[in-house]
Amino acid sequence: KAGVTQTPRYLIKTRGQQVTLSCSPISGHRSVSWYQQTPGQGLQFLFEYFSETQRNKGNFPGRFSGRQFSNSRSEMNVSTLELGDSALYLCASSIVDRGLSDTQYFGPGTRLTVL
Amino acid sequence: DQQVKQNSPSLSVQEGRISILNCDYTNSMFDYFLWYKKYPAEGPTFLISISSIKDKNEDGRFTVFLNKSAKHLSLHIVPSQPGDSAVYFCAAREGNNRKLIWGLGTSLAVNP
Repeated sequence: KAGVTQTPRYLIKTRGQQVTLSCSPISGHRSVSWYQQTPGQGLQFLFEYFSETQRNKGNFPGRFSGRQFSNSRSEMNVSTLELGDSALYLCASSIVDRGLSDTQYFGPGTRLTVL
Repeated sequence: DQQVKQNSPSLSVQEGRISILNCDYTNSMFDYFLWYKKYPAEGPTFLISISSIKDKNEDGRFTVFLNKSAKHLSLHIVPSQPGDSAVYFCAAREGNNRKLIWGLGTSLAVNP
């Protein structure tokens, strides 16, 4: 079974631009979560989508948004980029098995650099 | 404020010996804990998890111990291998919330 895929792997943008990152979950996984990883802050939760609906949201400004499609693929968008948005953005999928603590499986990430 | 803390940024161990990675948490509502391993330029890879109803979970060379009263968990790797060299993250969550709260990681170096 193919793992979580993320595109693109690397991205360079300038301040003020916007960016869209894509994530394809493992087949059969219905939940997609997004995380931002920076050296000083570690992994920070951005949001989670399930059945095309945002179910959880972290403490990020409204410039960060996302969506999920009917095939469970997800995109996240960052508008009006700032230098501090430079980070590794990770996507994780999970199967969502009710009553059990399901595991999140991560993609390789998208390295975003804002100049 | 960090709810999940990994106080050792790095650890160096000889091949064949035991590696012990520690993690402390402050939120008593956390009831599920996970360890992930991360290589450079890759996403975290799930290693092992433990529910708060248990105090130990073992999977091959990896064992996780949970001490709820001390709000402390540890990952033991025995025997350590050079391929285990990576950054290890402890993560926790509460109930059915899939939002993971992460420690900052411990970089493990296993020397041949």
